[in-house]
Amino acid sequence: AQSVTQLDSHVSVSEGTPVLLRCNYSSSYSPSLFWYVQHPNKGLQLLLKYTSAATLVKGINGFEAEFKKSETSFHLTKPSAHMSDAAEYFCVVSLSYGQNFVFGPGTRLSVLP
Amino acid sequence: DVKVTQSSRYLVKRTGEKVFLECVQDMDHENMFWYRQDPGLGLRLIYFSYDVKMKEKGDIPEGYSVSREKKERFSLILESASTSQTSMYLCASSSTRESYEQYFGPGTRLTVT
Repeated sequence: AQSVTQLDSHVSVSEGTPVLLRCNYSSSYSPSLFWYVQHPNKGLQLLLKYTSAATLVKGINGFEAEFKKSETSFHLTKPSAHMSDAAEYFCVVSLSYGQNFVFGPGTRLSVLP
Repeated sequence: DVKVTQSSRYLVKRTGEKVFLECVQDMDHENMFWYRQDPGLGLRLIYFSYDVKMKEKGDIPEGYSVSREKKERFSLILESASTSQTSMYLCASSSTRESYEQYFGPGTRLTVT
């Protein structure tokens, strides 16, 4: 069975400093992995996805993530936080041939001025 | 752009009422999903559908049913609403042609009193 662990429920950074949101997954098969972002009172928006191509994935708004199979991790990073990055972030795992998603519990990112 | 729309952003119902939540997508996606989102629990899958008139139970189907009479429309039904069903409900759609990336609607915040 697949599962996702997001190691921090809340991360707080200062504007202009790096962001690291951690995600570990468990999957019996070769997974697809996604990061979604949810701003307050909005739906979920895809940030980036890994589907067995390049292990370093670049997404929107300067975010990127690296798939590390040996560590079963897919951490999300950004070199310099912006105030508009404050939101909830969800790591998601899916079977590479399947339609269903398993969501992590989410990490709330706060960006301080 | 893919668009997933949900019939209401906010809904208030009384205990015991029958509640219909409607979702429409305009990208000819074959897969549609209903989730509920609760603080600290992430998104949990209620029901999904791979095709018209097809439905599959997700992780928490109790107290819910669904209907998919047309490809673009997927309805979630609460047969007899209870206070435990107060939550944010999110609809999503995906296609096998697009690496199963799910596109989300804005959500319906349902309050049952």
